[in-house]
Amino acid sequence: EDKVVQSPLSLVVHEGDTVTLNCSYEVTNFRSLLWYKQEKKAPTFLFMLTSSGIEKKSGRLSSILDKKELSSILNITATQTGDSAIYLCAFNTNAGKSTFGDGTTLTVKP
Amino acid sequence: NAGVTQTPKFRVLKTGQSMTLLCAQDMNHEYMYWYRQDPGMGLRLIHYSVGEGTTAKGEVPDGYNVSRLKKQNFLLGLESAAPSQTSVYFCASSPRLLSPLHFGNGTRLTVT
Repeated sequence: EDKVVQSPLSLVVHEGDTVTLNCSYEVTNFRSLLWYKQEKKAPTFLFMLTSSGIEKKSGRLSSILDKKELSSILNITATQTGDSAIYLCAFNTNAGKSTFGDGTTLTVKP
Repeated sequence: NAGVTQTPKFRVLKTGQSMTLLCAQDMNHEYMYWYRQDPGMGLRLIHYSVGEGTTAKGEVPDGYNVSRLKKQNFLLGLESAAPSQTSVYFCASSPRLLSPLHFGNGTRLTVT
């Protein structure tokens, strides 16, 4: 059965810290891995990764996929209180469905 | 541009009652999905649709039915609500297979 595991489950940091969130997966017919940010309501899309070793970057956020290790990390540098959210990792398979991990809850304190 | 709109935002049901959740998208997306999210858990797929008139089962379909009579609308029905169906329900859509999902703001359902 396809599975995705995120760690840590929760994390508390102070503004300015750098954080690394982890996502590992066991899946057949892997196509892509996606990261979403969920604040109070709807998850919003951050990154999609399909090729190993390529870094996607947007401002202070970046992500990289390691297909050999079946994992991905999401880095956030110089964290701000607005980064507080649940970060969800999901993978897509050739069947076209997204399977989500349980998420990492990040709290950034002033 | 409204994106994905879910109604209602909140609902309380008694065990055994039925209801329908409505999802509407104005982006002309082919694919639509219903997920549920329970505390401390990620999103689990209930049902999905790959186009108007089609539906398919996801990971946790039992107790739910769906219909997609029009491309822009995807309805989720609970025929006989149970306390185990207390959850936050999210609808999502995407333009193509394997594209990132666009989510609605969710419906919080409580079954007593």
